[in-house]
Amino acid sequence: AQKVTQAQTEISVVEKEDVTLDCVYETRDTTYYLFWYKQPPSGELVFLIRRNSFDEQNEISGRYSWNFQKSTSSFNFTITASQVVDSAVYFCALKTSYDKVIFGPGTSLSVIP
Amino acid sequence: DAGVTQSPTHLIKTRGQQVTLRCSPISGHKSVSWYQQVLGQGPQFIFQYYEKEERGRGNFPDRFSARQFPNYSSELNVNALLLGDSALYLCASSSRDYSYNEQFFGPGTRLTVL
Repeated sequence: AQKVTQAQTEISVVEKEDVTLDCVYETRDTTYYLFWYKQPPSGELVFLIRRNSFDEQNEISGRYSWNFQKSTSSFNFTITASQVVDSAVYFCALKTSYDKVIFGPGTSLSVIP
Repeated sequence: DAGVTQSPTHLIKTRGQQVTLRCSPISGHKSVSWYQQVLGQGPQFIFQYYEKEERGRGNFPDRFSARQFPNYSSELNVNALLLGDSALYLCASSSRDYSYNEQFFGPGTRLTVL
């Protein structure tokens, strides 16, 4: 069975702090994709990153970085020097076949000024 | 370029009624997927269509149905509405290029069932 777990339901940080959002996934497929999406209060899901199962390189994009570790089935997301605009719900997602995407329950991040 | 569009933005229905939600994918995208997002939860997969054929279905009752038109737009129909159907319904499109399996989401339709 495929599953995505985001153990942190809610996180609050003070602006400029670093914060890591955890994601653990389960799948028996050898080919899969992992995603992070941001959902601001407006509701529209915003794509942040895609990583395929054959590429374990970590990635950095500005203040965002992602740590993919197949050995622990984790795909964690770190925001460096958080800003108020980062306040949103963040979803980790797993995609295997036929465009079916399985989302985790989400982590609500509040960045306090 | 226009992104994924959905209509209507908001909808209020009563129990037992039927509702139709609409989605237009990004130009050139042939795959459309529907998701239900109940407040406080992650989106749940309902259907996926590609080239007008159903390619996947989530664990939803037969009250939920969908179709895709020749222009790749899609409709999601829900019959005999229940209070539990109240949710944000999201549509996503993708190009179906296996080397680039990213989905682009629309703004959603918020359905309230009274």
